[in-house]
Amino acid sequence: DSGVTQTPKHLITATGQRVTLRCSPRSGDLSVYWYQQSLDQGLQFLIQYYNGEERAKGNILERFSAQQFPDLHSELNLSSLELGDSALYFCASSASGDSYNEQFFGPGTRLTVL
Amino acid sequence: GQQVMQIPQYQHVQEGEDFTTYCNSSTTLSNIQWYKQRPGGHPVFLIQLVKSGEVKKQKRLTFQFGEAKKNSSLHITATQTTDVGTYFCAGRQRGGSQGNLIFGKGTKLSVKP
Repeated sequence: DSGVTQTPKHLITATGQRVTLRCSPRSGDLSVYWYQQSLDQGLQFLIQYYNGEERAKGNILERFSAQQFPDLHSELNLSSLELGDSALYFCASSASGDSYNEQFFGPGTRLTVL
Repeated sequence: GQQVMQIPQYQHVQEGEDFTTYCNSSTTLSNIQWYKQRPGGHPVFLIQLVKSGEVKKQKRLTFQFGEAKKNSSLHITATQTTDVGTYFCAGRQRGGSQGNLIFGKGTKLSVKP
């Protein structure tokens, strides 16, 4: 158990819909990262937050947005869903916002868009 | 764009054989981390390399960082069935966003008992 929690574990929805994925980082970690993992694909970095502020942005679509709240939990919002958005979405946390800290990954949310 | 290439994509070995996965970047990396993802699981941090030419060992696993800090390798000696999973390298390219690690696509290792 990494100490990072993600809800829900599974999500099945239809094209065009909007969903929210939630992540609670490890106690004490200030930075949260979101990744997308499609079948047989690597981890595509989406976005990073540090202590409530956006720190880095990857290949995140305009239909996707995220935020980190004062209690440090984070939400990833996916809207106007398409079939190709079906994937495993991981949240990870680290103590600080730099790349020298190891990242602790949550169990992931598996999104299926029908 | 920024890329970290990892080869091979798949590797099938007989238990007891050795295994190596390679990670290459077109630009210098500040650091490199290795993660393992078991089937159905999430990535788990294995190790970090920071210095040029650095070599670190964890039991049967040997990690190397190239002299030019553009490549890295993970070598497993005498694989066991518990080594099954996907191994990812991740590095931050110099000049890249401070916290942004670029992950390779991973090498999926299967071990036949």
